[in-house]
Amino acid sequence: SQQGEEDPQALSIQEGENATMNCSYKTSINNLQWYRQNSGRGLVHLILIRSNEREKHSGRLRVTLDTSKKSSSLLITASRAADTASYFCALRNSGGSNYKLTFGKGTLLTVNP
Amino acid sequence: ETGVTQTPRHLVMGMTNKKSLKCEQHLGHNAMYWYKQSAKKPLELMFVYNFKEQTENNSVPSRFSPECPNSSHLFLHLHTLQPEDSALYLCASSQDHTSSYEQYFGPGTRLTVT
Repeated sequence: SQQGEEDPQALSIQEGENATMNCSYKTSINNLQWYRQNSGRGLVHLILIRSNEREKHSGRLRVTLDTSKKSSSLLITASRAADTASYFCALRNSGGSNYKLTFGKGTLLTVNP
Repeated sequence: ETGVTQTPRHLVMGMTNKKSLKCEQHLGHNAMYWYKQSAKKPLELMFVYNFKEQTENNSVPSRFSPECPNSSHLFLHLHTLQPEDSALYLCASSQDHTSSYEQYFGPGTRLTVT
C-alpha cells in the first residue's frame, strides 16, 4: 500500500509565523489524516479529511485536500514554540485493505521563540 | 492523555532475553495495533487486531509474538531479538479496523536491544 510523502522534511520558523506542510500520494484514498508527534512520544491525531472534502479547520489548523493533484496541505497559523514537533500525514486507501493506515516519514517543524 | 497506556516506557534487553510489552486502552475501541518506529523510516504497521482476532501480520519475524486476550489489552512478546529491532514500539486503537476513524496512540516503549 502507498505511503504519503511529506514536504519539506524539515521546517524552521519564528513564533507567530505560519507553517505549511504538504503531503503527496499516488493512488485513490478513502481519507487522509494528519498526526503530530513530540520527540520520543506517541502520535496525536489532528484532523481527518475525507476524499469528498476539500477543506477542514480545527483551531489554528487548516487542512486542504486536492484529489485531482493527489495532495494535501496542513497550515498552522500563528505558530507557537509548543507546536515544535514532527507532523505526519497518514493515508487510508480506498478499496482492498482499506483498514491499513500508512504513514509518511514526516516533517520536522521547529518553532523558534 | 489519549486513553492508551503502554508499559514499560523504556526497556533494555539482551538478545537472549524474553520480555513483553503491554498496551491497554480505555476508550471502548475494538481494534488495536502495534507499530514500529525506527529512526529515519516511516512508521511500520506490525499487527492489527479487530475484536480480538488478528487481521493483519505485516510480514513480522516470529521473534515478535502478539497476544490480544480482550479488546482492551494487547501484548507484544519478544524473544531472541536482534540489535536492529531497537526502536520505539507504539500501540494504537480505533473504533474498529474497517471504518474511517482516527487512531489513538500510546506514548510508546523505547526498546534497546544490546
